[in-house]
Amino acid sequence: QVQLVQSGAEVKKPGASVKVSCKASGYTFTSYGINWVRQAPGQGLEWMGWISAYNGYTNYAQKLQGRVTMTTDTSTSTAYMELRSLRFDDTAVYYCAKAHRGSSPPVDYWGQGTLVTVSS
Amino acid sequence: QSALTQPASVSGSPGQSITISCTGTSSDVGGYNYVSWYQQHPGKAPKLMIYDVSNRPSGVSNRFSGSKSGNTASLTISGLQAEDEADYYCSSYTSSSTLEMFGGGTKLTVL
Repeated sequence: QVQLVQSGAEVKKPGASVKVSCKASGYTFTSYGINWVRQAPGQGLEWMGWISAYNGYTNYAQKLQGRVTMTTDTSTSTAYMELRSLRFDDTAVYYCAKAHRGSSPPVDYWGQGTLVTVSS
Repeated sequence: QSALTQPASVSGSPGQSITISCTGTSSDVGGYNYVSWYQQHPGKAPKLMIYDVSNRPSGVSNRFSGSKSGNTASLTISGLQAEDEADYYCSSYTSSSTLEMFGGGTKLTVL
């Protein structure tokens, strides 16, 4: 069965960076892209972007351009999302999700989420 | 850029049908057949319920259906059950730099 298992919760100071991992299993990793979505406490969902696990092509939301980097390690079927220059409003649960087809949305399997708290 | 517009809440009794709307523009909902709907229970990850306006992934109940007219997409849930109580989000491809947009979410209460 398809599973996406994410790394644990993080607490970071403003200006720091965070890197969240997402280990996939149960399907051919390079056949589908990985999307990242975040959700601030009590708020709605926000697309961050996606990466092709086949060739590493990325597409980031303009709002996060310059601060976010998505990568994959095909040898371990793991995707990573790094967010730099953290701000208080980056506090959110970060989800990775497998594309239903190709690399872009919709997404059909989700990780359990990783809470990133930005606090001084 | 504003999110797609959804009602904040809807409610219905068990067995009834409800419809959740999702209004965008010709640059997103109205321009492409790439509308999806996600269900999210509290503290859980979202679940894909509908994609490409009206397609159901395998395993999703046929009580869930999707449609679109102009710039507004709709999710209809028939034969409401207690387990349907959750937040529902629409999403759409957009030609803007955002690439993909979510609606603000709708809280469904089963009375």
